[in-house]
Amino acid sequence: AQSVTQPDIHITVSEGASLELRCNYSYGATPYLFWYVQSPGQGLQLLLKYFSGDTLVQGIKGFEAEFKRSQSSFNLRKPSVHWSDAAEYFCAVGAGIKAAGNKLTFGGGTRVLVKP
Amino acid sequence: DVKVTQSSRYLVKRTGEKVFLECVQDMDHENMFWYRQDPGLGLRLIYFSYDVKMKEKGDIPEGYSVSREKKERFSLILESASTNQTSMYLCASSLSSIPNYGYTFGSGTRLTVV
Repeated sequence: AQSVTQPDIHITVSEGASLELRCNYSYGATPYLFWYVQSPGQGLQLLLKYFSGDTLVQGIKGFEAEFKRSQSSFNLRKPSVHWSDAAEYFCAVGAGIKAAGNKLTFGGGTRVLVKP
Repeated sequence: DVKVTQSSRYLVKRTGEKVFLECVQDMDHENMFWYRQDPGLGLRLIYFSYDVKMKEKGDIPEGYSVSREKKERFSLILESASTNQTSMYLCASSLSSIPNYGYTFGSGTRLTVV
């Protein structure tokens, strides 16, 4: 069974500083990996995804993530955070099966607070 | 713009009531999902459907049922609401034919059971 761990429940970062959110997954084959962001009171929005090719993927809002198979990790980064990046971030893994359901398993989330 | 629409943003219901949460998508997606979101627990899958009239239990189906009579609509039913079902409920949809497509989410329904 697939699983996702986000070790950090909360992270506080100063505006303009860099941000890194950790994600570790467990899956027996090559996973499909996603990062979603949830602003307060909203649904989840896709930031970026990885399924093959270049292990450094670029997403929206200036975010990037790096897939490291040896570490079973897919960490999210942003070089300089903006106050609008305050939100909750979810990592998710899927089997990538072209079949019924194609479920994603989500991590517990990391809440990011941005200090002025 | 493609959308997943959840009929209510906020609901307050009494213990024991039968509650219907509605979700509609306009993207002709095969798969639809219901998750509940609780602080520290992330998103937990309640039920999903990969075709009309088809449904599968997720990780926490107890106390819930679902209905999918049309491809675009997926309803979550709380047969007899209880206070431990107070939560944020998120609906999502996806394409079966594109595994890396990911999900499109609705804005969520925050349900309070009193």
